[in-house]
Amino acid sequence: EVQLVESGGGLVKPGGSLIVSCAASGFTFSSYSMHWVRQTPGKGLEWVSSISSRGRNIYYPDSVKGRFTISRDNAKNSLSLQMNSLRVDDTAVYYCARGSFCNNGVCYFDSWGQGALVTVSS
Amino acid sequence: QSALTQPRSVSGSPGQSVTISCTGASSDLGGYDYVSWFQQHPGEAPRLVIFDVDKRPSGVPDRFSASKSGNTASLTISGLQTEDEADYYCCSYAGTYISFYVFGTGTKVIVL
Repeated sequence: EVQLVESGGGLVKPGGSLIVSCAASGFTFSSYSMHWVRQTPGKGLEWVSSISSRGRNIYYPDSVKGRFTISRDNAKNSLSLQMNSLRVDDTAVYYCARGSFCNNGVCYFDSWGQGALVTVSS
Repeated sequence: QSALTQPRSVSGSPGQSVTISCTGASSDLGGYDYVSWFQQHPGEAPRLVIFDVDKRPSGVPDRFSASKSGNTASLTISGLQTEDEADYYCCSYAGTYISFYVFGTGTKVIVL
């Protein structure tokens, strides 16, 4: 059974930093792209970052580019998101998701973790 | 990159069919056939129910079907069941450096 378990969420002040992690099990982690998607009550779902199976290709939307860094450790079946210069509007539940059914490099988020709540507030 | 537009809610009685629309632009939904749909029950993570416009992952009932025409994608739930009451989100590849993926605003399906 595919399992993705996020950890590391919490309360942080504006301008601060936080790392959220995702532990994967039940599948060959090194064969899949991995992604972060966040969800807020006001803005719904928003794609945050993607990393290819070997970590060679990394992508971010403009909203987090230069502030967030995605990384993976295939030996430890783990995915991480380093978040710096956090803003109030980064407050969200952060989900890690596996990429599957890939077509020409475009993947679909077929398995999701339970999410980690990140609250940015003074 | 703006979010894809979905109706806030749709409703139907058990056994009926409901259709959710998802409208984008030529730069995202209209430009690519990489559309997916997610079902999300309260307090749970999203669940993939459609990918590649109209394909169902294993385990998703064939009551769920989808299509796309131009800048609009649609998800139809036939033979509505009480457990189908949930939020549904569309998602499209956008292929730009602003955002590779863009989600819809979400639709609440209400089973009367």
